[in-house]
Amino acid sequence: GEDVEQSLFLSVREGDSSVINCTYTDSSSTYLYWYKQEPGAGLQLLTYIFSNMDMKQDQRLTVLLNKKDKHLSLRIADTQTGDSAIYFCAESNRETSYDKVIFGPGTSLSVIP
Amino acid sequence: DGGITQSPKYLFRKEGQNVTLSCEQNLNHDAMYWYRQDPGQGLRLIYYSQIVNDFQKGDIAEGYSVSREKKESFPLTVTSAQKNPTAFYLCASSIGVSQPQHFGDGTRLSIL
Repeated sequence: GEDVEQSLFLSVREGDSSVINCTYTDSSSTYLYWYKQEPGAGLQLLTYIFSNMDMKQDQRLTVLLNKKDKHLSLRIADTQTGDSAIYFCAESNRETSYDKVIFGPGTSLSVIP
Repeated sequence: DGGITQSPKYLFRKEGQNVTLSCEQNLNHDAMYWYRQDPGQGLRLIYYSQIVNDFQKGDIAEGYSVSREKKESFPLTVTSAQKNPTAFYLCASSIGVSQPQHFGDGTRLSIL
């Protein structure tokens, strides 16, 4: 069945780059997403990449997709304390008439001042 | 500002009681969704609706019910049949079912 995996915790120093990794199993994915969740809040869509792309850059965020290995990563440059949050990787795949979105368990990013 | 509004932010349920969580969006999105989030886990889909007056069960629909009488509104009822309702509930919407989903700020439901 479909599955999305992420490491649960990551700790980095302020100013360093953070790299959050994700693997997925469904080769028929259409979109792959990164969401950010701050404590007690909903999920904020950070960025997404279509499955036929390799890379997408948006200011401090860089998404890399390796379709062969089914590996997605999110790089945050110059990580700030405000980046501390849980980051969810998600994939969508066509299931009948509905693009079902499968979420990973989330990676809790801690930024050390 | 356009967005998704969930209310209340916190909700308490007594034994045997049904409670209803509100979700309203003014984004003119056709599709709406309800997810449940438990600590340390990803989101699990409860119900989704692609269009007004239509909705489908997700992966964990048992003990829940929904309605979609208006495009803007997708309320979720947690019935007494849901034996473990304590969780964080998230509502989302998208332009269409193949488009990125946008989330509300969630409702935290607890048992008294």
